[in-house]
Amino acid sequence: DAKTTQPNSMESNEEEPVHLPCNHSTISGTDYIHWYRQLPSQGPEYVIHGLTSNVNNRMASLAIAEDRKSSTLILHRATLRDAAVYYCIPSDYNNNDMRFGAGTRLTVKP
Amino acid sequence: DAGVTQSPTHLIKTRGQQVTLRCSPKSGHDTVSWYQQALGQGPQFIFQYYEEEERQRGNFPDRFSGHQFPNYSSELNVNALLLGDSALYLCASSLAPQTPGSYNSPLHFGNGTRLTVT
Repeated sequence: DAKTTQPNSMESNEEEPVHLPCNHSTISGTDYIHWYRQLPSQGPEYVIHGLTSNVNNRMASLAIAEDRKSSTLILHRATLRDAAVYYCIPSDYNNNDMRFGAGTRLTVKP
Repeated sequence: DAGVTQSPTHLIKTRGQQVTLRCSPKSGHDTVSWYQQALGQGPQFIFQYYEEEERQRGNFPDRFSGHQFPNYSSELNVNALLLGDSALYLCASSLAPQTPGSYNSPLHFGNGTRLTVT
């Protein structure tokens, strides 16, 4: 199983971009890179996933390094609602056994 | 479109008792996974059910068991409760790929059942 390393915490100002890094140097060639977030008192929420190419959706962008050993989740304009714990999870196509680590706690300041 | 619903939202049990938690998946989903989340930690995978069978299991003892019904809903049972079983139990649903080997849909989580064992 791929091991991930994320900062314990990060801070951002409201309406500024946020770059959340993740190292996954032992990722297997067939693992997708998933990002989920967990708002206070809620279950985790899917954000985005990718395999090799950068990905964009309405919530965020995912930039994947060429060697796939790291990735960055980009929130283009942070809002107070984006304050959450963000998890980076390499996992195979089955999404079986998603291994959540401790994640990065993002604080957004008004 | 109803999302994943779990019941009950909170539960208090005594050490040694048994508990059953319930989950209804998001409409259209056929796969259910269960996770345990201790305070301050990330969710830990317990097991996954598809076609009414346990497909994969995490590192949890046999005291943890489950079931999936024909309507895709699921139950998590925990026997002989320990104080350490106190946690938030999360259910997640997804749609299995129509083509073997293709990408499974992302997980949709419920808001969990908070179990306290005293």
